[in-house]
Amino acid sequence: AAGVIQSPRHLIKEKRETATLKCYPIPRHDTVYWYQQGPGQDPQFLISFYEKMQSDKGSIPDRFSAQQFSDYHSELNMSSLELGDSALYFCASSLFWLAGGSYEQYFGPGTRLTVT
Amino acid sequence: AQSVTQLGSHVSVSEGALVLLRCNYSSSVPPYLFWYVQYPNQGLQLLLKYTSAATLVKGINGFEAEFKKSETSFHLTKPSAHMSDAAEYFCAVTFTGGGNKLTFGTGTQLKVEL
Repeated sequence: AAGVIQSPRHLIKEKRETATLKCYPIPRHDTVYWYQQGPGQDPQFLISFYEKMQSDKGSIPDRFSAQQFSDYHSELNMSSLELGDSALYFCASSLFWLAGGSYEQYFGPGTRLTVT
Repeated sequence: AQSVTQLGSHVSVSEGALVLLRCNYSSSVPPYLFWYVQYPNQGLQLLLKYTSAATLVKGINGFEAEFKKSETSFHLTKPSAHMSDAAEYFCAVTFTGGGNKLTFGTGTQLKVEL
């Protein structure tokens, strides 16, 4: 079965540079989520999109922005990178949740960002 | 606010022994609970979910979990551990009206010894 695709898998950037992470959801999934997992930490929710609209926002720095495109893929743009941005960034996808229900999220393999 | 607490950041069991990973939740509304497994340098794989249907939930790889409202718990068990079960396990919660974003516990590293 098709899974969530993330690219690149590894990315090395220097401080103050920019980075763009891409996420391709499972076919027919219309909702995309981004999570950040620091070393030895649990994943933290950043932001989510449904039908190209931001649906929820978590602890995402103002230096980061994201969007979802008409083909449902999403990109996370990170500017003025800091050492503390080094982490594993996961994308997950799901079907849109219905009132009173919850659809499980399927995670991609992650993009490991290293800021030097 | 909704949250989950995983007791024990590291659990070690012998191969063939019972696996018990603990998760307690805090939620003012009915929660939806999940267990995910993460192997080194890999993504998160869904093991099982509780979404208010059966309280005993069976998942992949022989794992199961029981939702106990009276104890606000959702512990993960497996009758017989296998070496391939060694990984990090995360309990996660979301809830109706929560936008479906997941809040994770701090994770439990499972080690399986011969």
